[in-house]
Amino acid sequence: AQTVTQSQPEMSVQEAETVTLSCTYDTSESDYYLFWYKQPPSRQMILVIRQEAYKQQNATENRFSVNFQKAAKSFSLKISDSQLGDAAMYFCAYNSGGSNYKLTFGKGTLLTVNP
Amino acid sequence: GAGVSQSPSNKVTEKGKDVELRCDPISGHTALYWYRQSLGQGLEFLIYFQGNSAPDKSGLPSDRFSAERTGGSVSTLTIQRTQQEDSAVYLCASSLRAVYNEQFFGPGTRLTVL
Repeated sequence: AQTVTQSQPEMSVQEAETVTLSCTYDTSESDYYLFWYKQPPSRQMILVIRQEAYKQQNATENRFSVNFQKAAKSFSLKISDSQLGDAAMYFCAYNSGGSNYKLTFGKGTLLTVNP
Repeated sequence: GAGVSQSPSNKVTEKGKDVELRCDPISGHTALYWYRQSLGQGLEFLIYFQGNSAPDKSGLPSDRFSAERTGGSVSTLTIQRTQQEDSAVYLCASSLRAVYNEQFFGPGTRLTVL
C-alpha cells in the first residue's frame, strides 16, 4: 500500500525567509501524482502545487516550488519569501492516477511564520 | 464560481444518535469524495462517487457509516448510532474528472460525539 511520510510535525520560519517542508512516499507505481495541500485554521484545504511523476521538471507556482526526486521518492515543498498568510498545516498527498482516485495523505506539517 | 459547501459547519451529538452531514459539490464536478480528519488517524479516505457508477465504499470504517449522492450532485454522509471515536472533521471534495484527480475541498463539518 502507498504511504506518505512527513517527518516534520512542526516548522517555523521568519517572515520573508525560505522554508522547506519534507515529504517521502512509498510506491511501486511508475506513474502517479503528488500534491501539496494547505489547510489554514478555517479548515479549507487548498491545493498549493501538484507534480506529475512522468515530468522531470519540478513544478513551480509563484513562491512555491517542489524538489521532486523520483528515485529517492522524495517530494519537498519550498516556500520562498514566506508571508504571514502562509501559516497553516501543510499536507503532502499521493495519488496513483488512472482509475485510482483516492488521495493518500501524510500526517501534516504545521508551519508557523514569525513576524 | 462557488466552491464546495458543507453543512452543518459544526455538529454536537450524543452517543448513540444518528447524524447526517451534507455536501454540495462544485457544479459540473462528476466525482465526489468524503474524507475524515482526526487527530489520531490524520486524513482518511471514506467513500468516492463518480457519475452513475457504483460508489467505492472501501474506506468506510464500519457499517454504521453510509453515504448517498442524489441526482449526481448533493451527497449525504450518515453515521448511525454515533460513537465517541466518530468525533472528527468530515471533509468533502469534488473534482471535474476522477482521472485528473485535482480535488477541491469544502470547509468540513466538525462532529463532536459526547
